[in-house]
Amino acid sequence: DTAVSQTPKYLVTQMGNDKSIKCEQNLGHDTMYWYKQDSKKFLKIMFSYNNKELIINETVPNRFSPKSPDKAHLNLHINSLELGDSAVYFCASSPGTSGYQQFFGPGTRLTVL
Amino acid sequence: GDSVTQMEGPVTLSEEAFLTINCTYTATGYPSLFWYVQYPGEGLQLLLKATKADDKGSNKGFEATYRKETTSFHLEKGSVQVSDSAVYFCALSDRGTGGGGNKLTFGTGTQLKVEL
Repeated sequence: DTAVSQTPKYLVTQMGNDKSIKCEQNLGHDTMYWYKQDSKKFLKIMFSYNNKELIINETVPNRFSPKSPDKAHLNLHINSLELGDSAVYFCASSPGTSGYQQFFGPGTRLTVL
Repeated sequence: GDSVTQMEGPVTLSEEAFLTINCTYTATGYPSLFWYVQYPGEGLQLLLKATKADDKGSNKGFEATYRKETTSFHLEKGSVQVSDSAVYFCALSDRGTGGGGNKLTFGTGTQLKVEL
């Protein structure tokens, strides 16, 4: 059974489009995250939710909007896609909010043309 | 703010060579420290962790010791294999900021290539 899953695995789209990436975890964790990995492999946190409540919101354009319908899901919607949004987006989860190991999904490679 | 500095890659080694990847950190609180590994085309997997000073994390022959005095968490392995070829990330999660939400701050990653 996959612990943290993301769909789609690959996403190719045109500039200006709106797209969503979905994430689900079956680990029973309370906390979920979105990270962005750029072309140089640098990873940076974007958002974190704990029990469906937003607790981390880094400096991210407001074109990015996370949504957590329940503890097991954290989706990422991106409006008006730009070339610079091309990256690999990773979802992760952890049991709590302090010093815990995070479990990562396989990533979604977004390419904006 | 928190930061993690890793040695630049890529690192190329022959099989059975000794590996060291340096990692130092700055944090305002009392961080937990992690090494994650990313194999080609895959997500990140936890390799090992340490939650307090002088703790040693170990897994699959890899080791790292939490050194508070030098703010370091260097990754070592005595004999690398071709299958160890991957990108290795040092990361911290600062628990001391209270309610900080457990965000991981990553280093830039070090690519390791092991050749026969």
